[in-house]
Formats: sequence, C-alpha cells, structure tokens
Amino acid sequence: ETGVTQTPRHLVMGMTNKKSLKCEQHLGHNAMYWYKQSAKKPLELMFVYSLEERVENNSVPSRFSPECPNSSHLFLHLHTLQPEDSALYLCASSPDVYNSPLHFGNGTRLTVT
Amino acid sequence: QKEVEQNSGPLSVPEGAIASLNCTYSDRGSQSFFWYRQYSGKSPELIMFIYSNGDKEDGRFTAQLNKASQYVSLLIRDSQPSDSATYLCATLLFTSGSRLTFGEGTQLTVNP
Repeated sequence: ETGVTQTPRHLVMGMTNKKSLKCEQHLGHNAMYWYKQSAKKPLELMFVYSLEERVENNSVPSRFSPECPNSSHLFLHLHTLQPEDSALYLCASSPDVYNSPLHFGNGTRLTVT
Repeated sequence: QKEVEQNSGPLSVPEGAIASLNCTYSDRGSQSFFWYRQYSGKSPELIMFIYSNGDKEDGRFTAQLNKASQYVSLLIRDSQPSDSATYLCATLLFTSGSRLTFGEGTQLTVNP
C-alpha cells in the first residue's frame, strides 16, 4: 500500500482515442502532481494542484487535460495523443506544495499506437 | 547547462563495497535536496533528504551536501544486490515552491 494509487497500470491507445488516468491518495495530503517519465530523460513536471486549485502548468500540450475534483483525487484526460507521448505517467502527492518530499504512485505505462 | 546533473552510469560495485552517487546542481538558490530510488518498472521512492551543509546518515545511507560547491552525494555502505536500482537526485528551489527538479538518474548495479 503506497498511499498513492494509480489506475490503470498499463494503457494502450490509438491516436484518436480518449482515455483518462486516475490517481487517488490516502495520505491526507493537500498537493497532487502529474509527472511524465520517458526513457533516458529526467522526470518532467506536468501539473501541480494545491487544494484542488491548479498552481502550475508546465507548458503541457492541450491534448493533456488535468482535473482535480477534490484533494484526494486527480485525473489526467487524454485525447488525440501522439506516439511520442508514450511514457510512464506518475502521480505524486505531498503534504503541501512548499518544501515537501513527494510520495509517488506506481504509475501508468502509456503506449500510443 | 542542466539544472540537475548526474552521471547516468551504469555504476557497478561489488557486494559489500561503498557505492558513491554524485549530483551537481546549477541554481545556488536551491534549498532542499532529495534522493529517490527507483527499481525497474516501479515508481520512485524517497530514501534521503538533506537541507543543511554536511553529512546526514540513515542506516547504510549517507547524504552529503556542499552548497558552496553545489554538490550533493549519496553513499551506500555495505552495498547489497537489492540496492541495484536507479537513483534520482532532486532539488527544490524555495522560491519556486512546487517545482522539484530531477536529474536523469544514475543506474547502480551491485554484483554478488
């Protein structure tokens, strides 16, 4: 039990599909994050939410759309993705957005065909 | 210049040896430093954090920080095969709040 649960673990989708990634944290944290991890590249921060409010959007293409309905749940809606979007997508949470270590979920391995 | 730089490795050490993992960072404003371990196919897990210059020890792990040299390292004593993983260095700028910046990671293999 990592405290941060992501579903699905694996996802294969075509470029015209619409899918969503889900993240749930059971740690009582106030901040949640989406990261992208590609081979041989550093973790890339995509979005940050603090108490359901988006506080950072790191120039992510609009084909990625986050949603945070409450402080325990975070979604990443995907549509018309490209093959280069294939990566491991990691959700994380922390007690707050300032000076806190991150707790990661197990990630969703996404393959775009 | 990369914001957080690590040797990608692979770094290979024999079982029982000391593994030394190094990380440099470009922004002098960085305040907090973290080491994450990531096993193949798994998510990163926090193993050490350090905020002040000097050494911080936790079991077989020692984090060392030298802010003047913009350098942070992780030493693993008595390395075990189960320590084989990718180690990610990350820094946090106080002024950037949420922006934890990661290096590419160093792949460590401990040979039995």
